[in-house]
Amino acid sequence: RKEVEQDPGPFNVPEGATVAFNCTYSNSASQSFFWYRQDCRKEPKLLMSVYSSGNEDGRFTAQLNRASQYISLLIRDSKLSDSATYLCVADNYGQNFVFGPGTRLSVLP
Amino acid sequence: DGGITQSPKYLFRKEGQNVTLSCEQNLNHDAMYWYRQDPGQGLRLIYYSQIVNDFQKGDIAEGYSVSREKKESFPLTVTSAQKNPTAFYLCASSIRLTSGSDETQYFGPGTRLLVL
Repeated sequence: RKEVEQDPGPFNVPEGATVAFNCTYSNSASQSFFWYRQDCRKEPKLLMSVYSSGNEDGRFTAQLNRASQYISLLIRDSKLSDSATYLCVADNYGQNFVFGPGTRLSVLP
Repeated sequence: DGGITQSPKYLFRKEGQNVTLSCEQNLNHDAMYWYRQDPGQGLRLIYYSQIVNDFQKGDIAEGYSVSREKKESFPLTVTSAQKNPTAFYLCASSIRLTSGSDETQYFGPGTRLLVL
């Protein structure tokens, strides 16, 4: 079983749609969680950290459920520029920074 | 500007040849990392370093070597022992690698290695 799993997609959604990505992690010792965005043939860039109480940054909302070892990312009012691959990361104090395989999103006009 | 630089952007390797990928950061970060990404795949950790003159193997270290002689630099050598080196190589750094610190990793632009 992979340590961090994601639905690979692709998710094809129209502009303005709301889309949710799910991620599960197997290492119960994981303490920190992140969502990164990766554009085609580019490096990953930090989108947001995920806090226990959930957090929001504009159109993006991240949630963490430690009991179920589950992380989610919600994107509201999708823009064409949101098209990218979204990588989920679970980290055990930096000792084990594990990336999921990513979920590809295409926002269509 | 502060950041992480990698060079070259593209690198071609001949059979049996060792090649070295450069990674430099001026963020004053203690920890540095090398990842490999294959098409349609996630990132896999090759090596990481928490401090100068120290480094640890990641999940796929075979066929690779690193050095950390300076805080700013963490070059990766892809040796001839790595039989399938074609991939996108990403270097990252974080402030430090200890409990309670900011573990966020920041990435360089990557190097694409192709085998001739």
